[in-house]
Amino acid sequence: GESVGLHLPTLSVQEGDNSIINCAYSNSASDYFIWYKQESGKGPQFIIDIRSNMDKRQGQRVTVLLNKTVKHLSLQIAATQPGDSAVYFCAEINNNDMRFGAGTRLTVKP
Amino acid sequence: NAGVMQNPRHLVRRRGQEARLRCSPMKGHSHVYWYRQLPEEGLKFMVYLQKENIIDESGMPKERFSAEFPKEGPSILRIQQVVRGDSAAYFCASSSGTRNTIYFGEGSWLTVV
Repeated sequence: GESVGLHLPTLSVQEGDNSIINCAYSNSASDYFIWYKQESGKGPQFIIDIRSNMDKRQGQRVTVLLNKTVKHLSLQIAATQPGDSAVYFCAEINNNDMRFGAGTRLTVKP
Repeated sequence: NAGVMQNPRHLVRRRGQEARLRCSPMKGHSHVYWYRQLPEEGLKFMVYLQKENIIDESGMPKERFSAEFPKEGPSILRIQQVVRGDSAAYFCASSSGTRNTIYFGEGSWLTVV
């Protein structure tokens, strides 16, 4: 659902470790999901997407997992790098209606 | 292939003035979304438009805010009689249709003084 008025939760990881960012979505009818990365002062950047007929999709260093039973989405980043430091948002889409989760700030420690 | 283009990137307005934010979607995209973001917060949905039609404006304040996406030209988000609370980043996104990837612009930062 909407995240109005909430401050972002934070995840801090060591460089080289794997990161897992979680997202709960609200609409069981949503059939398309996207993860975005947003760096300070910039617009959200597409990372990876997944459709509801899948439960896992892999990209380069990233994997998205979808659990429709509990309406949960996760983004796994392998071998996290300093350049991965950003805010990550999940988006759920239902019939062209796109809404965002609360977002998580990922900080990578050298 | 240019991405989603927003302008101005930064806009300063005095209280009571009007702000107009423009969004040119990616080539071939006919679906446009507007979102608002306050510092350290998430993206709040405002409005979803297709060419010449407002599909969902459930996130738009009832007064002072309006949006359009004409047959020709960019989508416009218009804020009349701005107040300090309107200061935020406004992001536009576009897609080519149902269940297609949605891409964002770099945002327009509105500051009301």
